[in-house]
Amino acid sequence: GNSVTQMEGPVTLSEEAFLTINCTYTATGYPSLFWYVQYPGEGLQLLLKATKADDKGSNKGFEATYRKETTSFHLEKGSVQVSDSAVYFCALSRYSSASKIIFGSGTRLSIRP
Amino acid sequence: SQTIHQWPATLVQPVGSPLSLECTVEGTSNPNLYWYRQAAGRGLQLLFYSVGIGQISSEVPQNLSASRPQDRQFILSSKKLLLSDSGFYLCAWTAGVGGYGYTFGSGTRLTVV
Repeated sequence: GNSVTQMEGPVTLSEEAFLTINCTYTATGYPSLFWYVQYPGEGLQLLLKATKADDKGSNKGFEATYRKETTSFHLEKGSVQVSDSAVYFCALSRYSSASKIIFGSGTRLSIRP
Repeated sequence: SQTIHQWPATLVQPVGSPLSLECTVEGTSNPNLYWYRQAAGRGLQLLFYSVGIGQISSEVPQNLSASRPQDRQFILSSKKLLLSDSGFYLCAWTAGVGGYGYTFGSGTRLTVV
């Protein structure tokens, strides 16, 4: 079946450090891939997405590239800020009328000033 | 523009009491609608989804039910709450058949005491 695996947290970094959160997926065909972010006490917000192989999604300094050969969609940011502290979810969606999204377990990121 | 409203924001209910959480979407028609639950420190579990009025699909058997009485209204209910129903409930919508991602509501934090 379809699934998403992302690195266990929590991840703690110093401000201005380089961030990578690993995400791999299992799916048949060509799913769309997403990163969502959840700030404390809030709902999830779409951070970025990619809909086909080799697409790069980007937003707010974050980037992720859809790698079909390694079935990965790792999230990166060159210089993190304290305001980036949140829980990050990797997710996939197959093309269907139901458009169900399968989420990874989430990675909690804490940035020290 | 499209917006999603979810209420109440927080709820404390005794065991055995009924539950009704409401979600409405504005600015679109015939959206796909979803209910997710997030237990404390955990990932997201899809509870129900709907691709049209009166069409409800359940992902996990449990103490909850969902209804869609109008095109842009999605209701999560229970006749008798259990302690295990505590969690953060999120409503979401999407248009079309995949690739767009979800837009989430701000969530309802339910504590069953």
